[in-house]
Amino acid sequence: QSVLTQPASVSGSPGQSITISCSGSSNDIGGYNLVSWYQHHPGKAPKFIIFEGTKRPSGVSTRFSGSKSGNTASLTISGLQAEDEADYYCCSYVGDSAWVFGGGTKVTVL
Amino acid sequence: EVQLVESGGGLVQPGGSLRLSCAASGFTFSSYRMHWVRRAPGKGLVWVSRIDTDGSDTSHADSVKGRFTISRDNAKNTLYLQMNSLRDEDTAVYYCAKERGSAGAFDLWGQGTLVTVSS
Repeated sequence: QSVLTQPASVSGSPGQSITISCSGSSNDIGGYNLVSWYQHHPGKAPKFIIFEGTKRPSGVSTRFSGSKSGNTASLTISGLQAEDEADYYCCSYVGDSAWVFGGGTKVTVL
Repeated sequence: EVQLVESGGGLVQPGGSLRLSCAASGFTFSSYRMHWVRRAPGKGLVWVSRIDTDGSDTSHADSVKGRFTISRDNAKNTLYLQMNSLRDEDTAVYYCAKERGSAGAFDLWGQGTLVTVSS
């Protein structure tokens, strides 16, 4: 099964914007409009923050936005806050009723 | 309250078996596809298994195919994961997750249950 590539870590100062990339292929991100993003504070339940590449569920801060170009999806966090410090994962449907997650990105607020 | 609560984790020896449960409440369980996702210590999230609304169709990651079986009891609002022939690398926190309509995304997660495979 395919693998989605994310940077291991990204950091930024409070108030700044950061972007996390998620690189795949035509077999996953590029082949389906079914990319989602999750925020995970270890020890807690993961939180769903983006679906279908760019859509934000109700109740999720407008500081989170998603985009997609070809085989790469991205998550941007604007106005970085201390509470944003967490692990972030992209996920894509890959056909045959299977899904794959990226390796995860640790976001650090300096 | 809309929630998922996992149970059944614990310590098991390599080669052993364990059955995880996930109790759903606050939504019409029988209307949604459900999944299991795991996170090993120091590693990232990994999709494990998925089941259709009535249990008639299931799928599993290659790493667990033939060893794990996902099932559900809609009358009891409960999802299960039967894990056989457990290996050290199956050690992880296991989360159940609800799939959002046809969006292929997981919009509700449980807190997870820890499975430790060790002799």
